[in-house]
Formats: sequence, C-alpha cells, structure tokens
Amino acid sequence: QVQLQESGPGLVKPSETLSLTCTLSNGSISHYYWSWIRQPPGKGLEWIGYIYYSGTTDYNASLKSRVTISVDTSKNQFSLKLSSVTAADTAVYYCARTYSTSSSFDLWGQGTLVTVSS
Amino acid sequence: DIVMTQSPDSLSESLGEKATINCKSSQSVLYSGNNKNYLGWYQQKPGQPPKLLIYWASTRESGVPDRFSGSGSGTDFTLTISSLQAEDVAVYYCQQYYSTPWTFGQGTKVEV
Repeated sequence: QVQLQESGPGLVKPSETLSLTCTLSNGSISHYYWSWIRQPPGKGLEWIGYIYYSGTTDYNASLKSRVTISVDTSKNQFSLKLSSVTAADTAVYYCARTYSTSSSFDLWGQGTLVTVSS
Repeated sequence: DIVMTQSPDSLSESLGEKATINCKSSQSVLYSGNNKNYLGWYQQKPGQPPKLLIYWASTRESGVPDRFSGSGSGTDFTLTISSLQAEDVAVYYCQQYYSTPWTFGQGTKVEV
C-alpha cells in the first residue's frame, strides 16, 4: 500500500538547520500536495507548509522565514529544511498528503522525533 | 489565521455510551460556491500519526466504523462516537482546510 516515511537526524544543535526527507512508496508524488506537520511532545499539531509536485509552495507565516520545502519527483521524495532551530522546534515531524489545497490529510508518515539540544 | 477551539479538553465515558466532541472555528469554513464545510476530524492514538476519520465535516473516510459521525456547518461542528469502544481511546483533533495556514484544534482526549 502507499506509504510515507520520514528520515533524518534525530538530534540537531541549537542555531543549526534541521533537515528531513519524506519518501513515498508504492505511489506517485505527482498530482498531490505534500505537507510537513509537527507536534511538540504532549502538544497539538502545527502545519508547517506544503509543496505541490510541480514545486509550488505555501508556508505557515509563523515559520516562513526559516522554512524551505523542496521536492525531487525522480526519487518520489520531498524535504524540509528549518533553519536557526531552538529548543522550541523539538517535536515529532510528520509528512502528509492532501489531494488539493482544499482537502484533508488522508495519508501520514509515522513521524520522526527531532530533538534540538547541544 | 482561523483558530479552532475544541471542547471539552478531555472526556470519560463508559463502554457503549455516546461521546460528543465540539469544535468551533473563529470564522466560517463553509464555502458558498459548493456548500461544503472544509473541516476534518482525526484520531490519534499514542505513538501513532493522526488518522483521518471524517472530511467535509460529515463524510466518513473509507474503513471508518459507522459509530463515528460528524455534523455541523459554518463555525460549529461535532464529532459523535455513538457507542464508545475500548479501541476508541485516543486524542481527537478537528482541522480546517478552508484557508492556509491550515489549523488544528488543541485536541480532545477520550477515555473509557
């Protein structure tokens, strides 16, 4: 079945850049919107931003100055970079899919915990 | 940004009883062009990602048991679990996809 899997370092130092990749299996990255969502330990969900397979992006204004989302259609992957991280960026990071800019998240990765600490 | 506010923060009901979760948006998520409410409900069990239960406020996702139902329109929405089962213990979130930034409610913890 179609699956998403996040990968990347579980520990990042303060002021450095968090980098994660989401790989889609058994499906095509084309014609969908791909998002990053995070969840601090014990807290709620925050949408970070999305990318369309063509490269169009939209970011949450609260993080926009520090976020870059990119896509590699040849590898069925999309990536997140979050710069200048602090302890407040410690969270489980999920990748997820929407069919359009007006639809719910119907497919999620399992999530990966990223801790910001020296 | 559209703020989503859920109530209660937590609830506990007996097996077989009805559970009701409310979600209120700070502005309408009803799009007049198609008369659809851009509102989804998710279930999150410990250590797992959220799972889509309901979209368009009242359409059940494929495979979701029919004891889960969604209702409401405009700014006020409800998720109802008609007969609570042990496997329904989870945190439930509403989410609006009417406009970005897409936003979630703070979550409602359901216990049995």
